[in-house]
Amino acid sequence: NAGVTQTPKFRVLKTGQSMTLLCAQDMNHEYMYWYRQDPGMGLRLIHYSVGEGTTAKGEVPDGYNVSRLKKQNFLLGLESAAPSQTSVYFCASSDREYGTQYFGPGTRLLVL
Amino acid sequence: AQKVTQAQTEISVVEKEDVTLDCVYETRDTTYYLFWYKQPPSGELVFLIRRNSFDEQNEISGRYSWNFQKSTSSFNFTITASQVVDSAVYFCALSDPITGGGNKLTFGTGTQLKVEL
Repeated sequence: NAGVTQTPKFRVLKTGQSMTLLCAQDMNHEYMYWYRQDPGMGLRLIHYSVGEGTTAKGEVPDGYNVSRLKKQNFLLGLESAAPSQTSVYFCASSDREYGTQYFGPGTRLLVL
Repeated sequence: AQKVTQAQTEISVVEKEDVTLDCVYETRDTTYYLFWYKQPPSGELVFLIRRNSFDEQNEISGRYSWNFQKSTSSFNFTITASQVVDSAVYFCALSDPITGGGNKLTFGTGTQLKVEL
C-alpha cells in the first residue's frame, strides 16, 4: 500500500499564479485533512473533509479552496498565490473521527 | 482553546544517552487523544503513538516509552539509549473536535533532537 501520496513534491510559483495540490489515499479513509507547516508554528489546519463530497474550513482557510469529488482524493487549490502561502503542505487521512491521522510526504511550495 | 506546549526547542545529546521530550497540553474536553509524531530530516511525518485520555498506563515500544499523567496534563516521551537515527523534530499533538464532525490536531511547535556520536 502507498498510504497517502501527494503531488507535486516541490513547486515554485510566481505571485498571482494558480495551482492545485493533489492528495490521494488508498486506505479507504473517510476523513481527509490539509495542513500547512511554517517554521516555529507547528502544523495548522487549512481545510478538511469528513467524507466524499464534503469539505469544511479549518483554522487558516483564506486563499485556499478544496474539493473531494472522489473518496480517495482531496485537492487543495490556490487561486492566486501570494508569498505568504510559501510553506510545506501536508495532507492527512484517518478512518474515523478520532482516529490516527496518517500524513503524506508533503509538498514544498515557494511563491515568489 | 486547545493548546500544546513543547517548551524544549532543541535538545542535543550524545549517542546512548537517554532523553525525555516534554509535552504539556490544555483542553476542556473530558475525552481526548494525544499523539506523538516524528519528522526526520527527510521531512515526512511519521506516526509514533496515539493515547486516549482514559488510558493512563505508560507505554513502551522498544527504546521508546511514553508517560501520560492526567493530573499534570503531560504526555512525555523518552528515548532510551539514543541513536543518531533518532535525530529529528518530534511533535506532540492533541485531538481537537471540530463542530460538524471531524477532529483536527493541535500541534506543539516541536522539539528538535540532535543525537551526536
